[in-house]
Amino acid sequence: EVQLVESGGGLVQPGGSLRLSCAASGFSVSSNYMSWVRQAPGRGLEWVSVIYSGGSTYYADSVKGRFTISRDNSKNTLYLQMNSLRAEDTAVYYCAKMIVGAGYDAFDIWGQGTMVTVSS
Amino acid sequence: DIQMTQSPSSLSASVGDRVIITCRASQSISSYLNWYQQRPGKAPKLLIYDASSLQSGVPSRFSGSGSGTDFTLTISSLQPEDFATYYCQQSHIARTFGQGTKVEIK
Repeated sequence: EVQLVESGGGLVQPGGSLRLSCAASGFSVSSNYMSWVRQAPGRGLEWVSVIYSGGSTYYADSVKGRFTISRDNSKNTLYLQMNSLRAEDTAVYYCAKMIVGAGYDAFDIWGQGTMVTVSS
Repeated sequence: DIQMTQSPSSLSASVGDRVIITCRASQSISSYLNWYQQRPGKAPKLLIYDASSLQSGVPSRFSGSGSGTDFTLTISSLQPEDFATYYCQQSHIARTFGQGTKVEIK
């Protein structure tokens, strides 16, 4: 079964760091585009970052320079290192596998999400 | 940045109704538009990709259309399990979601 399971969320003070993990099963993280998407409480969805199968990475302007996406192929796991956290980073963070076609991509498999709260 | 605007922000409908949700992009995004359904407390679910392609396993009452800047999601006959929030998302430049449309029971 294709599945994503996030972990690593929690309460962190402003300016602090946190690393989220997303363990995949049923498919290879390294062979797919993978993203992080977040959702602040009561708000809509916001794309955060993507890592392509070739290793290229891209970020939303709101997190550029503070967050880093990576993967461990041997563990079939996706990561999001979050530094210099701000109150506005408080959200449920989802990892998502992507499907890719001629010019398009979409998030087809989602994890259950992990909550990150940035507060003093 | 490409902005995505959905309308309406919410709607009330009855089981069996035909529901149409629209999504407008701030610039042309060709057909690179996806639709998701999110039930409360759950992760989003992909319904439609590339504007009109039905994701595997999604009921045929869901359909999408449009290109350029204007897109629609149509639910031909609303079912009880369809009461949820729907999001459009573009993948032409970076990725951006619309603000969501909440479909409630009338």
